[in-house]
Amino acid sequence: DAKTTQPTSMDCAEGRAANLPCNHSTISGNEYVYWYRQIHSQGPQYIIHGLKNNETNEMASLIITEDRKSSTLILPHATLRDTAVYYCIVISGTSYGKLTFGQGTILTVHP
Amino acid sequence: GAVVSQHPSRVICKSGTSVKIECRSLDFQATTMFWYRQFPKQSLMLMATSNEGSKATYEQGVEKDKFLINHASLTLSTLTVTSAHPEDSSFYICSARVLAGGPSSYNEQFFGPGTRLTVL
Repeated sequence: DAKTTQPTSMDCAEGRAANLPCNHSTISGNEYVYWYRQIHSQGPQYIIHGLKNNETNEMASLIITEDRKSSTLILPHATLRDTAVYYCIVISGTSYGKLTFGQGTILTVHP
Repeated sequence: GAVVSQHPSRVICKSGTSVKIECRSLDFQATTMFWYRQFPKQSLMLMATSNEGSKATYEQGVEKDKFLINHASLTLSTLTVTSAHPEDSSFYICSARVLAGGPSSYNEQFFGPGTRLTVL
């Protein structure tokens, strides 16, 4: 599965949009981009995933560049409860769910 | 969304004892569950894949005789840490996936809240 690169940490003001980037320049055609987050001392939580089209759900939006080498997770109106570690994972649909978590991005939302 | 529970949430045990952690899918059936371990300030590391009715598949470097996994039903997987030692102290997290939705959702997993194990 393709390796991902994320910034170590980011800050965001409450109520503003949080844009979390992820680079996955070696992604292959059958690999999806998944985002999970982990709030301190809890299990991870699925956020969103996509293949090549932009996706939106009740939690976030996922913007994937046309060449699929990078993506951005957007939390449109960040709240204090969105403070967490955000993981970008690239995995093929046939990997049988074996997720490989990198170090992720620590997002801190400030009042 | 689908709910996964773990029990216990926290356990403290003496060195040399065995500890069993349960992972349950509450409102769906899970043919496959996963066990992860997370040390402080580190990321999650996949330990093994638990398949209902068959032997678990362990990741490289994970001792299968030390971390016994049983997936006896479609809603329950257990992880037993045998002869626990202080270096086994960690946050153990299970997950399960729902296969409905086709290949694009194969990697959408629902995680339990985790079990914090402390071995004295």
